[in-house]
Amino acid sequence: AQRVTQPEKLLSVFKGAPVELKCNYSYSGSPELFWYVQYSRQRLQLLLRHISRESIKGFTADLNKGETSFHLKKPFAQEEDSAMYYCALSLMNTGNQFYFGTGTSLTVIP
Amino acid sequence: ETGVTQSPTHLIKTRGQQVTLRCSSQSGHNTVSWYQQALGQGPQFIFQYYREEENGRGNFPPRFSGLQFPNYSSELNVNALELDDSALYLCASSSPGGGGFYGYTFGSGTRLTVV
Repeated sequence: AQRVTQPEKLLSVFKGAPVELKCNYSYSGSPELFWYVQYSRQRLQLLLRHISRESIKGFTADLNKGETSFHLKKPFAQEEDSAMYYCALSLMNTGNQFYFGTGTSLTVIP
Repeated sequence: ETGVTQSPTHLIKTRGQQVTLRCSSQSGHNTVSWYQQALGQGPQFIFQYYREEENGRGNFPPRFSGLQFPNYSSELNVNALELDDSALYLCASSSPGGGGFYGYTFGSGTRLTVV
């Protein structure tokens, strides 16, 4: 069963515009959710995690248990935000296994 | 502090052969996971090792096996390679008990091509 859904494979926005990358999950327990980012020719790296309620590089993500969503948002996109973004769900009772979405490729147009 | 390193970076094998991929965990990390990432897909969990024991496995057949050594380095072995095994294989490590909370540190991956 698909546990993490990222409905957009490709997303393009203009520089300075707001950006939202969607992520929905299916899990009846208490999820641990993460966003990972992969810049061109670089390794997959952690962007942010919901438990810390942090803002990294201007990005935020709020866990909405009612809508089972964890959308990634940034008010003003920058060219350096162009990358592949993956939403990931961790199920603590399965040995910290991560379920990744299929990813969204974000392009910020100058 | 070193990150996660994987070797080799690229590999070409023939169907039916066996392959071993290697990973050195980030310093201080004793948990290692392996993921398979097919083209255009997100990483898929293969298995996880903690203190040299497998403590979680995804939906992969037994011909995918692994080892973790006392220095926390790890190997992924795949027997009887199939064409569909062609993918990027990622190793990820985390601090004790921290993966689910703090996330994992990923290596750059090994690109395996089966012909």
